[in-house]
Amino acid sequence: GESVGLHLPTLSVQEGDNSIINCAYSNSASDYFIWYKQESGKGPQFIIDIRSNMDKRQGQRVTVLLNKTVKHLSLQIAATQPGDSAVYFCAENIGTGRRALTFGSGTRLQVQP
Amino acid sequence: GAVVSQHPSWVICKSGTSVKIECRSLDFQATTMFWYRQFPKQSLMLMATSNEGSKATYEQGVEKDKFLINHASLTLSTLTVTSAHPEDSSFYICSAEARAGSTDTQYFGPGTRLTVL
Repeated sequence: GESVGLHLPTLSVQEGDNSIINCAYSNSASDYFIWYKQESGKGPQFIIDIRSNMDKRQGQRVTVLLNKTVKHLSLQIAATQPGDSAVYFCAENIGTGRRALTFGSGTRLQVQP
Repeated sequence: GAVVSQHPSWVICKSGTSVKIECRSLDFQATTMFWYRQFPKQSLMLMATSNEGSKATYEQGVEKDKFLINHASLTLSTLTVTSAHPEDSSFYICSAEARAGSTDTQYFGPGTRLTVL
């Protein structure tokens, strides 16, 4: 369902470390998931997506893991860089003809130099 | 490719006036565009789905007479906030759906910051 948060959880990591951002989704009918990165004052930027028939997908420095059993999605960023600092949102699509996305509440990633 | 633009990037208006926001897909055609609203430190909330050549589909709680959506071409959707009030101040973001093979991916515009005085 839709999420509205009063504050964003924050993940603080050191530059060069790996980051793991988690997301729980509620709709078991969701069949398509996307991770977006949003910098301050900008629109969301597509990072990586995964369909429900997969449990892992890798991109450049990023990996998305999907656990349908517990309805959990994670984004792993390898060798985190200061430019990765942003708010990260997971989004889900429930299919069945509805193509609009439902966004999670977001996580702020702060990379310490 | 798959670039979406919005205009204006920010706007300040007086209470009671109307504001139009444009969303354009620059290098692809988008049958469907979406409008989201985002309040500070919150997530994106879907307002409506805009389909080219037909009426928009509004989410529950979104007033269609207040937020007028027009999708007259495959590259342009507009959102007009009518009789704006301070509580309408927000970050408005559009997205456009691009098809690559069998996959539809949404690409987002840079957003429009609306401030109603």
